[in-house]
Amino acid sequence: DIQMTQSPSTLFASVGDRVTITCRASQSITSWLAWYQQKPGKAPNLLIYKASSLESGVPSRISGSGSGTDFTLTISTLQPDDFATYYCQQYYSYSLTFGQGTKVEIK
Amino acid sequence: QVQLVESGGGVVQPGRSLRLSCAASGFTFSDYAMHWVRQAPGKGLEWVAIISYDGSKKYYADSVKGRFTISRDDSKNTLYLQMNSLRAEDTAVYYCARDRVPFGGVNVFDYWGQGTLVTVSS
Repeated sequence: DIQMTQSPSTLFASVGDRVTITCRASQSITSWLAWYQQKPGKAPNLLIYKASSLESGVPSRISGSGSGTDFTLTISTLQPDDFATYYCQQYYSYSLTFGQGTKVEIK
Repeated sequence: QVQLVESGGGVVQPGRSLRLSCAASGFTFSDYAMHWVRQAPGKGLEWVAIISYDGSKKYYADSVKGRFTISRDDSKNTLYLQMNSLRAEDTAVYYCARDRVPFGGVNVFDYWGQGTLVTVSS
């Protein structure tokens, strides 16, 4: 299985900060990467697919980039609604696998 | 609007079985591949299984292969997960999720249910 490793595991930030989360795959997954946001007690919400395509309804302050094995999720100006846990997911091959998550907390 | 509602969770003893259901509405269920994804308490997400839009293809995570079976009943707009030989490590919230793209699918999850908790304990 392809292993997905996110860093950092926890990130402390303030409203208005620029935030970057990194996801690394154990082998090339070309651009077959998605990002999700999850808030406590809720189901995940799709943010980005195909590494950089923004899902409908997702604010434009959120963006994704990367290809091959290295990917990033960036929130340009952190808003109160963005404090949550973020997961990357590869869909290059089965088994589909997620990163371990990055929790964005208030500094 | 798209709605996915899971049911069937509960407390079950190790080695026993449980069947989860996911009732879908607000879209043409038979056009979409469907997935199960689980999340152990306080842990990350783990993909469990997929069934293609026509039911002809099914894939499973290694951790559940041979014990879990995914199925669908398009006449009832319902997805199922039959879980046999349950283990303590199967304890999790189980989500059903819709594939983002109809027919062929892309293995990206655009709509999720609220989840149902399965606890495996003696």
